[in-house]
Amino acid sequence: EPEVTQTPSHQVTQMGQEVILRCVPISNHLYFYWYRQILGQKVEFLVSFYNNEISEKSEIFDDQFSVERPDGSNFTLKIRSTKLEDSAMYFCASMSGDLSSGNTIYFGEGSWLTVV
Amino acid sequence: AQTVTQSQPEMSVQEAETVTLSCTYDTSESDYYLFWYKQPPSRQMILVIRQEAYKQQNATENRFSVNFQKAAKSFSLKISDSQLGDAAMYFCAYLEYGNKLVFGAGTILRVKS
Repeated sequence: EPEVTQTPSHQVTQMGQEVILRCVPISNHLYFYWYRQILGQKVEFLVSFYNNEISEKSEIFDDQFSVERPDGSNFTLKIRSTKLEDSAMYFCASMSGDLSSGNTIYFGEGSWLTVV
Repeated sequence: AQTVTQSQPEMSVQEAETVTLSCTYDTSESDYYLFWYKQPPSRQMILVIRQEAYKQQNATENRFSVNFQKAAKSFSLKISDSQLGDAAMYFCAYLEYGNKLVFGAGTILRVKS
């Protein structure tokens, strides 16, 4: 069964460093997302991406965050200058956008980011 | 803005028994989708079940079923014949087409043997 894959599964970084989280969405999916879950809290929307541009972003997604789809398969989240409060599980997700498949969003296994 | 409320922070069920997790949501839309996701200790987000708002029939997936009450904006999850592997955090989520998922705060389900 097709799945969303994310790398790395866990990354530890120094405060102020840049981090890139990588995702390979399910092929032929059209909508891509990043979500964040701080330990013990609910899952929060960061950004959605469609047709090679951001379609919606939350107030969390400030200037230190960016997303890119550099080729036909990868979807990346970059955090330019990490802060302690960026420590969280980051989930990539994708959706086909095909009404016949029911608009289900499928999640990757997450990238656990620890900022020290 | 859409909101999703899960009023039960934690629930317990005896193995082989049935448990129902509650979820309510707020929206002015008539067409949308609702989901239950399971998050085990590994923290992976696993889709449990999906309901389209335009369908009156409640969705079922093996031991999992929902009670979807559109007028009441209620979407509860029933787990029958509970198993130890069902222990996890369960999130209710709302989706408008093409837009973001909005999650509830989650319900921790404990299964006692």
